[in-house]
Amino acid sequence: DTEVTQTPKHLVMGMTNKKSLKCEQHMGHRAMYWYKQKAKKPPELMFVYSYEKLSINESVPSRFSPECPNSSLLNLHLHALQPEDSALYLCASSQDGGPQRNSPLHFGNGTRLTVT
Amino acid sequence: EDKVVQSPLSLVVHEGDTVTLNCSYEVTNFRSLLWYKQEKKAPTFLFMLTSSGIEKKSGRLSSILDKKELFSILNITATQTGDSAVYLCAVGSQGNLIFGKGTKLSVKP
Repeated sequence: DTEVTQTPKHLVMGMTNKKSLKCEQHMGHRAMYWYKQKAKKPPELMFVYSYEKLSINESVPSRFSPECPNSSLLNLHLHALQPEDSALYLCASSQDGGPQRNSPLHFGNGTRLTVT
Repeated sequence: EDKVVQSPLSLVVHEGDTVTLNCSYEVTNFRSLLWYKQEKKAPTFLFMLTSSGIEKKSGRLSSILDKKELFSILNITATQTGDSAVYLCAVGSQGNLIFGKGTKLSVKP
């Protein structure tokens, strides 16, 4: 088990549904990340929050909406997704600055999302 | 364009063998190189390398970075079936991690 907790572990949703993915860490990390990973592919960065402010948005469609309510929590709100959005969604956290300042990312176990 | 290239893409060995996984990179503003092991779920952090020539070691795993030739290797000695996984190399640059495609290692009994 990792120190980054993601819920739910699995999610099946229709294209008209609204759902949210949740991520929590209690390591005192100040940077949190959302990655998307398709089968047999490496993780792809979606969003980075640093000190609860969105610092990187990798041109992600607006049907994905991140939220960082506090330094321990990170949400990803989903609305009107497409079947091609089906993937493993990984949350990660790191100390200040992440790899930029030589701090490794620690990943959660992910939410496996299926859009029908 | 920044890129991280891992080789081989897949590898099948028998228990007890020693393996070497390769990672080469071309990125602007290199900060660090990280190795992760991914089984079915979360990538698990193995090593972070920032300086050339300094070997990092953890049990049967070791890694080293060459910043002049822009590559790193991950060695696993006396492999076990539990080492079967995808090994991801990632390079830290501009606040992001750029991942390679991974090496899928299968260790047969």
